[in-house]
Amino acid sequence: QSALTQPASVSGSPGQSITISCTGTSSDIGAYKFVSWYQQHPGKAPKLMIFDVSNRPSGVSYRFSGSKSGNTASLTISGLQAEDEADYYCSSHTSTSTLGIFGGGTKLTVL
Amino acid sequence: DVELVESGGALVQPGGSLRLSCIASGFTFSNYNMNWVRQAPGKGLQWVSYISSAGTVHYADSVRGRFTISRDNTEDSLYLQMNSLRAEDTAIYYCARGVNKNYAGWHFDYWGQGTLVPVSS
Repeated sequence: QSALTQPASVSGSPGQSITISCTGTSSDIGAYKFVSWYQQHPGKAPKLMIFDVSNRPSGVSYRFSGSKSGNTASLTISGLQAEDEADYYCSSHTSTSTLGIFGGGTKLTVL
Repeated sequence: DVELVESGGALVQPGGSLRLSCIASGFTFSNYNMNWVRQAPGKGLQWVSYISSAGTVHYADSVRGRFTISRDNTEDSLYLQMNSLRAEDTAIYYCARGVNKNYAGWHFDYWGQGTLVPVSS
């Protein structure tokens, strides 16, 4: 199964807001509320930022928010900070033989 | 605090085998589904395998028939037996905690630091 589709890169200036999209199909994002987002800094393990489409784990900044419409999920980061510069991955449960799937990743650059 | 520590990564030749381990601490291991996720050098994340708290297993198409996931709830440990390894299996392998057995969901809330598996002759 192909990966979920994310833009390769996005950028924004400090204080601005950016949105990263994640497009799947009716077998994954469109079928379940189980979309999650991960932040990964170079050389580090991924960190869960959003789960079940729009829920933030304890300790994750309110500046991170998630949503979903049809087969597309989105991660919005408001009030961009230099520390937000990282790779971001979406993930979804899927009804296919492959239980779960990730997006290809989006590199966020804070200008 | 929740901690996941992987081990077992090593250079292996194509066609070879390797067993990865992940020792968990800081939570009731037997109550959680567990996963292996890998990342090839410079590439994105790929889910590899899942085992429920009760032992139900699932695999990505690319590893099914070659990899076997297992767990030992008495030792708070997760394993991945990898056979017939290929160059394309080269990656950092992460142990990742899934959801509690009483919860319907799909996400990975804690990750280990990863263990590198290079497959090369």
